[in-house]
Amino acid sequence: QVQLQQSGAELAKPGSSVKISCKASGYTFTSYYISWIKQTTGQGLEYIGYINTGSGGTNYNEKFKGKATLTVDKSSSTAFMQLSSLTPDDSAVYYCARGAPAYVMDAWGQGASVTVSS
Amino acid sequence: DTVLTQSPALAVSPGERVTISCRASESVSTLMHWYQQKPGQQPTLLIYLASNLESGVPARFSGSGSGTDFTLTIDPVEADDTATYYCQQSWNDPWTFGGGTKLELK
Repeated sequence: QVQLQQSGAELAKPGSSVKISCKASGYTFTSYYISWIKQTTGQGLEYIGYINTGSGGTNYNEKFKGKATLTVDKSSSTAFMQLSSLTPDDSAVYYCARGAPAYVMDAWGQGASVTVSS
Repeated sequence: DTVLTQSPALAVSPGERVTISCRASESVSTLMHWYQQKPGQQPTLLIYLASNLESGVPARFSGSGSGTDFTLTIDPVEADDTATYYCQQSWNDPWTFGGGTKLELK
């Protein structure tokens, strides 16, 4: 079955960076985009961007340009999101999700918690 | 950005019919999708393209609408449906989510 396995919780200092992974299994990795979503109690769910796993092309929400960088390793069927220049506002649960046609997110990872604190 | 507005919360009794609404600030055609999120879990897809039931989702769930007004219906509601429901549009860039409707069972 389709599975997206994300890396574990991160505790980071302000100003640092973290890199979250999302390993896909159960389907042809390069046939679907991978999207990334941020969830906080205050802001709800926010779309960060997606990566074309075949070409490596990306689409970012303007709000997250310069904050998030999406990459992919086709050899290991893994997508990555790096978050840079972290501030406490970046503390959230981050999800990866498989992007089906019409950009429906039809399978989600279990989420990766990022806490930014000094 | 396209703003999606949902009622914050609803409380219904098991066996009843419930409708959850989502209003968009501009047209999203039929590129509206619905997700269910239970506490401590990731969201799961229920309905895609406004009215299409995702594989494996019980037929108690249905969706309708186009343009700016959309509805998710659960009929009949079961105890296991306690969750927060989110709408999401993928017509306008950036994709956006509604604030979620928390469904509680009486």
